[in-house]
Formats: sequence, structure tokens, C-alpha cells
Amino acid sequence: NAGVTQTPKFRVLKTGQSMTLLCAQDMNHEYMYWYRQDPGMGLRLIHYSVGEGTTAKGEVPDGYNVSRLKKQNFLLGLESAAPSQTSVYFCASRTSGDSGELFFGEGSRLTVL
Amino acid sequence: GQNIDQPTEMTATEGAIVQINCTYQTSGFNGLFWYQQHAGEAPTFLSYNVLDGLEEKGRFSSFLSRSKGYSYLLLKELQMKDSASYLCAVVDSNYQLIWGAGTKLIIKP
Repeated sequence: NAGVTQTPKFRVLKTGQSMTLLCAQDMNHEYMYWYRQDPGMGLRLIHYSVGEGTTAKGEVPDGYNVSRLKKQNFLLGLESAAPSQTSVYFCASRTSGDSGELFFGEGSRLTVL
Repeated sequence: GQNIDQPTEMTATEGAIVQINCTYQTSGFNGLFWYQQHAGEAPTFLSYNVLDGLEEKGRFSSFLSRSKGYSYLLLKELQMKDSASYLCAVVDSNYQLIWGAGTKLIIKP
């Protein structure tokens, strides 16, 4: 039972390069989220999705784009990476109920030089 | 604005009890989560409170007072493996999770 899987786990980019982080979940969850986590700060929501084909902006969406073409996959794209995007990125998913706990992926550590 | 406050760091002794507090000011309230996060790992679910009172789950208990905007996580019989960060998160009126910065708990022998 894989749960939530993120790829890649680590990546180093140069400023201006683009990349895509892939999140896949096998729990048939409706809701999926992308967060970033920086030292001394709480998890900050970048984008989220409440179902296949739908996406919405979170707290810090600038510089990121997302797509949810299939229910099990949620992609996070950086079109032109900046050093401020150096962070650990977590994908999470949950059921649609109010008390549905979040299940997190292992995280993707991104460094932008 | 919305705000979740937790102590940045706490230290406790193996075998002892520690209480980690969380106070919140959010636009609406639809529940509060506690998550545990070991260094370099993903957060994992510990508890969920939506009604006032104490929820006990083994060595861990979580308390909620909605009128005071306050919760705490109580860890008993501390073990070295409990060294981790503990994250408090509130579900707001839009059913979005608002996260605190986390409390780093250091356990000493």
C-alpha cells in the first residue's frame, strides 16, 4: 500500500529552469494539496484540488502552477525557478469529509541556485 | 488575520510528561488536528478534536476548548522516539487547514 508518493525526492535547479513535481495517491482521495515547508514557518498551502479537473490557489501560489488531469495524480510545476522557491515540498491527500486526516508524501527537497 | 501560536521549542526528560499548547484565532472553526513530524520526514496524524474536552489515545491525549481558542497535546511516559516537531492545525470556516509553525520537542535521557 503505497499511500502518497512524490517524485523526485531531491532536485537541484538553476535560477530560471523549470521542473515538475509529481504526486500520486492510491487511496481514491478526492482532495489533494501541495504545501511548502520552510524553517521556522508552518506548512504553507500553494495550491489544492477538490477533485479531478479542478484546482484552486492557496496561500502562496505565485510562481507555481498545478494540474489534476487524473484523480490519483496532482502535478506541481515551477515555470522559472527562483532561489526563494528553495524549500521542502509536501503533497497530501484526504477524503472529502470534514474530519478527514491528511496523508502526506515523504517530501521533495528542492534547491534553486 | 488568522493565527496559530505554539511554543517554538520545549525540552523534557525521558519518562516524564509534557504538555504542548496551541492557541488559535481563525475565521471560523471546524476542528483541530495535531500532527507529529520527525526531522526529515513527513507529518503523521496524531489526533483530531472538534468538540470540547479531552481525547485520549494511548500515551497521547489532546484537549480542546473552543471558547478559549485553545488546545494542548499531552504526552506521557516520554520516550526518546518522541523527539520530534508537533504541529497544530485548525480547520477554518472554508474547511482549509491553517498550520502553526510547530513545536520542536527535545527529549533528554
